[in-house]
Amino acid sequence: SQQGEEDPQALSIQEGENATMNCSYKTSINNLQWYRQNSGRGLVHLILIRSNEREKHSGRLRVTLDTSKKSSSLLITASRAADTASYFCATVRDRGSTLGRLYFGRGTQLTVWP
Amino acid sequence: DTEVTQTPKHLVMGMTNKKSLKCEQHMGHRAMYWYKQKAKKPPELMFVYSYEKLSINESVPSRFSPECPNSSLLNLHLHALQPEDSALYLCASSQPGQGVGYTFGSGTRLTVV
Repeated sequence: SQQGEEDPQALSIQEGENATMNCSYKTSINNLQWYRQNSGRGLVHLILIRSNEREKHSGRLRVTLDTSKKSSSLLITASRAADTASYFCATVRDRGSTLGRLYFGRGTQLTVWP
Repeated sequence: DTEVTQTPKHLVMGMTNKKSLKCEQHMGHRAMYWYKQKAKKPPELMFVYSYEKLSINESVPSRFSPECPNSSLLNLHLHALQPEDSALYLCASSQPGQGVGYTFGSGTRLTVV
């Protein structure tokens, strides 16, 4: 079963604007990851944040994690048309037989207009 | 080499056919995964191999049969599939216990007719 829920399900913005996507999850996690998927292609790992971290940056990406609220956000700054894709959060749970399994949320479809 | 290679990219098969999907990685990862993804849905985990041993089977029907011949290769054997099995099949790999992201292949688009 899926773990995360992304919000919004679809986001449409102009080039140069910032895009913010949110993810909520239900159980304790070891880490949370964000992936990008262009239409009908494989997933590309963007960034991983561990359960003891609160914020992480990579280029134009900024990820936050609030374990008390079981939520994460992905911010893409100065978006480009090439950022158009589906974005998924995925969690790795922290114990037992589920350790190592990657559970995906429903995803956010981001469209960036030139 | 930082890629996961999947073949074929596209596959059309009849319900009585037997076919195999192949996945290869040379990053030294010791965990490999099969995921199934339907259109506009997130990937769903099917199987996990850890150190060449099947460690997780997410209650997948027996018409899907995974195989891990060695640490670099992962196969998914298909037999007597149904049209509802049509989907994008994704292979991924990772290094167990390292807390790093997974590397995904580009997938095999499977159509069952």
